[in-house]
Amino acid sequence: QQPVQSPQAVILREGEDAVINCSSSKALYSVHWYRQKHGEAPVFLMILLKGGEQKGHDKISASFNEKKQQSSLYLTASQLSYSGTYFCGTESYNNDMRFGAGTRLTVKP
Amino acid sequence: DTGVSQNPRHKITKRGQNVTFRCDPISEHNRLYWYRQTLGQGPEFLTYFQNEAQLEKSRLLSDRFSAERPKGSFSTLEIQRTEQGDSAMYLCASTLMAQTGAAETQYFGPGTRLLVL
Repeated sequence: QQPVQSPQAVILREGEDAVINCSSSKALYSVHWYRQKHGEAPVFLMILLKGGEQKGHDKISASFNEKKQQSSLYLTASQLSYSGTYFCGTESYNNDMRFGAGTRLTVKP
Repeated sequence: DTGVSQNPRHKITKRGQNVTFRCDPISEHNRLYWYRQTLGQGPEFLTYFQNEAQLEKSRLLSDRFSAERPKGSFSTLEIQRTEQGDSAMYLCASTLMAQTGAAETQYFGPGTRLLVL
């Protein structure tokens, strides 16, 4: 039931792009994306409610393919502040919520 | 600060003792979640409430764990006869579930870090 995230870890240079994927074996109602810094609670990034929806702010965006039960998070022109662990949370149609194991992103100067 | 508070922030206890954590969600939020997170892992679902009703419990939640949300506002999570494997960060999150069933943002509290010796 836990969604699967890939890759598990990625190292970037400032300015490079990254894609983090999240897939589920269950039909999804929504996908949430969070970033967590070490020692802190997760912080909301965005929620996608409709199949095919793509949302974003700044240089972070995400897409949701409801048919494939997949979501991808796109980070473009990465900044040092993007470093952290990114989690996807998937919500099924009975409103339960499950989180992936996370993708550790490190942005180096 | 997301508006969700948790107390205490840290708890050290001896194996076999009982502990209770409190979560105060954002006041207008009708849904409240409890998660457990261990180092390097994503939040692990424990249970959630819609107002005062506990709608789902994870199978991971043993009979030593109990949660309440008596008035549909704050919630408590109690762990009885703690074991070393219970050591983790316990996170609370709240959200406003609209009548349409559409979920809104989950706001996480800072968590309670439990260490069982």
